[in-house]
Amino acid sequence: AQSVTQLDSQVPVFEEAPVELRCNYSSSVSVYLFWYVQYPNQGLQLLLKYLSGSTLVKGINGFEAEFNKSQTSFHLRKPSVHISDTAEYFCAALEPHSGTYKYIFGTGTRLKVLA
Amino acid sequence: DADVTQTPRNRITKTGKRIMLECSQTKGHDRMYWYRQDPGLGLRLIYYSFDVKDINKGEISDGYSVSRQAQAKFSLSLESAIPNQTALYFCATSDSTSPRGNEQFFGPGTRLTVL
Repeated sequence: AQSVTQLDSQVPVFEEAPVELRCNYSSSVSVYLFWYVQYPNQGLQLLLKYLSGSTLVKGINGFEAEFNKSQTSFHLRKPSVHISDTAEYFCAALEPHSGTYKYIFGTGTRLKVLA
Repeated sequence: DADVTQTPRNRITKTGKRIMLECSQTKGHDRMYWYRQDPGLGLRLIYYSFDVKDINKGEISDGYSVSRQAQAKFSLSLESAIPNQTALYFCATSDSTSPRGNEQFFGPGTRLTVL
């Protein structure tokens, strides 16, 4: 079955420390991959996406992600987090469906940045 | 003003009641989606619509119905609400079937509680 797996449900990290949020996808889904962020009491917004080309993708707010085909991973990283990065992060992939595509979302990772 | 709006933002209702959640968008997108978010389960697709004459079931459509009144409006109904429909509901839009244009834009969510 097609799936996107986020291995950590919660990640606490101290302010200014680096963070990595892990995401693995099943090889049967397309390799169009996304990270969305959900700040408290808000909807999701796009952080970054990989469609093709360079495997290192840079997004908003200093985040980046690396597509690794051999490991079927798309981990999200930030070298130094801020309190304002506290949010829930969703990894997603596009799955071909009836001539178009639909999203498959991971279960989310709650990032808690501690002072 | 927000591009994707949802009303109401919060709703508490009783088992057996009919509930309608509304979504409006000013982005001019043809494609609209309804998702529900449950802790630990991520986002799951309920229904989606590619234009006013096209409605499709998602992975968890049982107990729900939708109406696409216009390009800009997409409503979700719970015909007879039950407690396990307590969740956070999101509306989203996108403007293309291609991966490059498939960023989804989310509303702020409706928190529904069924007692």
